[in-house]
Amino acid sequence: RKEVEQDPGPFNVPEGATVAFNCTYSNSASQSFFWYRQDCRKEPKLLMSVYSSGNEDGRFTAQLNRASQYISLLIRDSKLSDSATYLCVVNIRGDYKLSFGAGTTVTVRA
Amino acid sequence: DTAVSQTPKYLVTQMGNDKSIKCEQNLGHDTMYWYKQDSKKFLKIMFSYNNKELIINETVPNRFSPKSPDKAHLNLHINSLELGDSAVYFCASSPVLGQGMNTEAFFGQGTRLTVV
Repeated sequence: RKEVEQDPGPFNVPEGATVAFNCTYSNSASQSFFWYRQDCRKEPKLLMSVYSSGNEDGRFTAQLNRASQYISLLIRDSKLSDSATYLCVVNIRGDYKLSFGAGTTVTVRA
Repeated sequence: DTAVSQTPKYLVTQMGNDKSIKCEQNLGHDTMYWYKQDSKKFLKIMFSYNNKELIINETVPNRFSPKSPDKAHLNLHINSLELGDSAVYFCASSPVLGQGMNTEAFFGQGTRLTVV
């Protein structure tokens, strides 16, 4: 079983729409959670960390559900520039690596 | 200033050759990594180093040998290249993970390796 699983999408949405997607993680010792963004042929970059109480960063809202072991990302008022692959990332306590999901592709159309 | 820089950006080589990819970070981080991103875009850890010491070797073939001469550098040497080695290789660095803090990892721009 993969450590982090995501719906690959693609999610094709019009500008201004809201899009949301989840990922699940398998190891209950996971302690740090992130969403990274990767544009085509570029390196991954941190979008936001995910905190236990949920957190917002502008149009982006992240939620963590430890009981069900899933993380969600919601994008409000989608922009064309939001088109990217969103990577769910987890760090397990005491582990010297980040574990990545395979990514969810979002395409925002005009 | 580029935080994590890796060279070369593109590498095309024949099967059986030996090649190296260099990585340097100027962020003062203790931990550096090599990740491989295959054609399905899945990022998989290969190696993790902390303070020049190998911490993780994730069942990578012996043909891959990382070397960390100091905390700021982590190079990857690949012997006897095979077709299946074609992928994008990302170097990354971060403060130490696994300590209960949400630390950010910074990635280099990637090296697109094509073995023909």
